[in-house]
Amino acid sequence: DADVTQTPRNRITKTGKRIMLECSQTKGHDRMYWYRQDPGLGLRLIYYSFDVKDINKGEISDGYSVSRQAQAKFSLSLESAIPNQTALYFCATSAGSSTDTQYFGPGTRLTVL
Amino acid sequence: AQSVTQPDIHITVSEGASLELRCNYSYGATPYLFWYVQSPGQGLQLLLKYFSGDTLVQGIKGFEAEFKRSQSSFNLRKPSVHWSDAAEYFCAVGETDSWGKLQFGAGTQVVVTP
Repeated sequence: DADVTQTPRNRITKTGKRIMLECSQTKGHDRMYWYRQDPGLGLRLIYYSFDVKDINKGEISDGYSVSRQAQAKFSLSLESAIPNQTALYFCATSAGSSTDTQYFGPGTRLTVL
Repeated sequence: AQSVTQPDIHITVSEGASLELRCNYSYGATPYLFWYVQSPGQGLQLLLKYFSGDTLVQGIKGFEAEFKRSQSSFNLRKPSVHWSDAAEYFCAVGETDSWGKLQFGAGTQVVVTP
């Protein structure tokens, strides 16, 4: 089984709808991250969490919110989706050091019409 | 703030030929440097990383990268590419007090021709 899973893998929604993307990990890591990938822009950090009680905004947090329900679960919500939030979203986890590898989920492709 | 530049958006290489992907960073101190690969429809996988020590780093799948402080570069190389190396490659930089946050480059798409 994959160490980092994301659901759903694909989602098409309409402008104004609330959307939740979920991430689960079995690696036992404390740190979890949400990124979005856009062509030509690489990956940009939306939110990150170092434990259940520690959540921080990343580079592009506007329009997004997160919830860390447990060490293993980190959800990303779009309260009112807009078309420019159409992107590929990745969850990642890492252990406790800045040099540690980040392990990525398979991604969620979100389309907002 | 640190930044990462991958000058080549797209590279086409013949199978069996050598490959070099460029990465330049902007950061005052010694950064932590990573190369990730994204195969079609997949998440990102770490190829190699550098944070101290020997400036030539060996990674998985036959890749290596060299940290050159004087040029602020961390270029990725492979002597002989295989068709399975067709993917998008991302350079990323972290810093000592960044708590694991990474700044990613825009990526280089590699196409392998027969």
